[in-house]
Amino acid sequence: VQLVQPGSEMKKPGESLRLSCRGSGYSFSNYWITWVRQMPGKGLEYMGRIDPSDSFTNYSPSFRGHITISSDTSIRVAYLQWTSLQTSDTGIYYCARHSRTSGNVLDAWGRGTLVTVSS
Amino acid sequence: DIVMTQSPLSLSVTPGEPASISCTSSQSLQHSSGKSFLGWYLQKPGQSPQLLISLATYRASGVPDRFNGSGSGTDFTLKISRVEAEDTGIYYCMQTLQALLTFGQGTRLEIK
Repeated sequence: VQLVQPGSEMKKPGESLRLSCRGSGYSFSNYWITWVRQMPGKGLEYMGRIDPSDSFTNYSPSFRGHITISSDTSIRVAYLQWTSLQTSDTGIYYCARHSRTSGNVLDAWGRGTLVTVSS
Repeated sequence: DIVMTQSPLSLSVTPGEPASISCTSSQSLQHSSGKSFLGWYLQKPGQSPQLLISLATYRASGVPDRFNGSGSGTDFTLKISRVEAEDTGIYYCMQTLQALLTFGQGTRLEIK
């Protein structure tokens, strides 16, 4: 099982960004993909998730309206998207495979994408 | 939201000695199945988190048996029977009972 994410992205405030997370080694449609943020030197925060089989999404109230999560099962990729980045979006963004068994655990993680938003 | 509270927030342990981390949830994490939806994760320096324990007590594949999870309801504990140098990092508990997943603040384990 692998989740592959780009290593880093550098953007300016107000710009848009779409992060990718490509799954391999398992049946992509059978597991949710969850996105987790880690701001510099801080802990882990749940952002939201998607069920690739029907594109149903769930967002944390802290992020709803600021991000969009989507997926494309034909190429086994999940996305995390912003239309207008803020400097406070700087951080590492992890995607994780969210198992619907074993207590809904996040049982495999990508290496994370470091997003830097700076003018 | 379910609030997860860990203690201590940091600890320093000599190799070969035991370590224990507590995690308390603001609501019971017991599912209708009778199991508690609580997981433990370790984030090693410069790495992404990795699953250690699921359903409060089940060790994930490949996790050494010196790691043990216990507890139910609202009170949980992760114990490392004999700490090794490779165990350094930040340990997080996380509840998955509610759709809005929530993490503890993290406990930093330093090896003396």
